[in-house]
Amino acid sequence: GAGVSQSPRYKVAKRGQDVALRCDPISGHVSLFWYQQALGQGPEFLTYFQNEAQLDKSGLPSDRFFAERPEGSVSTLKIQRTQQEDSAVYLCASSTGAGTPNYEQYFGPGTRLTVT
Amino acid sequence: AQRVTQPEKLLSVFKGAPVELKCNYSYSGSPELFWYVQYSRQRLQLLLRHISRESIKGFTADLNKGETSFHLKKPFAQEEDSAMYYCALSRDTGGGNKLTFGTGTQLKVEL
Repeated sequence: GAGVSQSPRYKVAKRGQDVALRCDPISGHVSLFWYQQALGQGPEFLTYFQNEAQLDKSGLPSDRFFAERPEGSVSTLKIQRTQQEDSAVYLCASSTGAGTPNYEQYFGPGTRLTVT
Repeated sequence: AQRVTQPEKLLSVFKGAPVELKCNYSYSGSPELFWYVQYSRQRLQLLLRHISRESIKGFTADLNKGETSFHLKKPFAQEEDSAMYYCALSRDTGGGNKLTFGTGTQLKVEL
């Protein structure tokens, strides 16, 4: 079946531009996570949705970052006024449930954002 | 705060040699630990988790709470094991089981 998909796969933005990154989770998955992976680093947590509710946004690095999942399926991560330090791969992951047991997270291919 | 440390950025072994990828963690609670793998041009995927106590593709990992370690081992490396390996820790903050990753170890299996 179809896995998690993300679009676009690559995005080049000029500093100061706004960008929107899309994630299509596996159908029926309750939980959706966004991670940011800088070059040479492991993924770092940004935010978490359970259905349409954003339950944890503690990893968002600044108020320029905003995420939504209005109908509990597709999610969009928006970055306003992009800066060079925002250059990274943005990963989306989804899982069937929430809480314990620890449901496996299925990752998308990522969106590579380059800010010039 | 929780932290995951993978001391080796690159590990190079010969085919058939044993492999050990190191992972140490710091966490005040009861951790759930995972190994994720990313093969070339593929997405990140779960390899194994400590609660399952299973062997996947010949890999095993034992949680040692005394040494706060979760090293990944395989007795005989295969060429197809070449990949990027990430150790990760999960905790439920009441808002989902977010993962804290290490910086990863690139495993290269040479013929």
